[in-house]
Amino acid sequence: GAVVSQHPSRVICKSGTSVKIECRSLDFQATTMFWYRQFPKKSLMLMATSNEGSKATYEQGVEKDKFLINHASLTLSTLTVTSAHPEDSSFYICSASPGTGGEQYFGPGTRLTVT
Amino acid sequence: GENVEQHPSTLSVQEGDSAVIKCTYSDSASNYFPWYKQELGKRPQLIIDIRSNVGEKKDQRIAVTLNKTAKHFSLHITETQPEDSAVYFCAAPRQAAGNKLTFGGGTRVLVKP
Repeated sequence: GAVVSQHPSRVICKSGTSVKIECRSLDFQATTMFWYRQFPKKSLMLMATSNEGSKATYEQGVEKDKFLINHASLTLSTLTVTSAHPEDSSFYICSASPGTGGEQYFGPGTRLTVT
Repeated sequence: GENVEQHPSTLSVQEGDSAVIKCTYSDSASNYFPWYKQELGKRPQLIIDIRSNVGEKKDQRIAVTLNKTAKHFSLHITETQPEDSAVYFCAAPRQAAGNKLTFGGGTRVLVKP
């Protein structure tokens, strides 16, 4: 149980284009989904928190107009990196939480490379 | 907000020995403490967690202990095997009533055969 999928697993895009990443909870309904960014050999950095049917809340320093989040249903959240630049290249990981107990289950991550 | 510190940052052990990773947290209201294992290029996987109403929890070769007074919790891996080699992250709630987690800096564990 508690399976989270994420697509695509890898994406290469040109500077200035936008990229959409999908996060799905496959066998549970996620009241909350989270988007993280992870640099090589570093810890997980929370970017934003997404609740179904409401606006995402962004961490300090994360541009909401650059990282658009949509949480359309209790099983799907999307992150769109708009006008991507090489410095946006990173490993993006989503997680989903089934309730208020605190547990988070992670997707497999998306490696974004912006050329 | 919560501040989580994790030590050591790297840990090398001989196969069969035990490994211990310790985390400290700052918010005394925190009540949920998960541990994640992340292999290279893979997702973090929840391996064990503990809530503040218990002091210890065990699952086969892994155990977590919690000292609420001192505000620290530890991951113990016994009889380590090469497949235990990974980066381990501890976490604590960003705030008592929320689902956000603050992660420790990670411990890179290498189990030498």
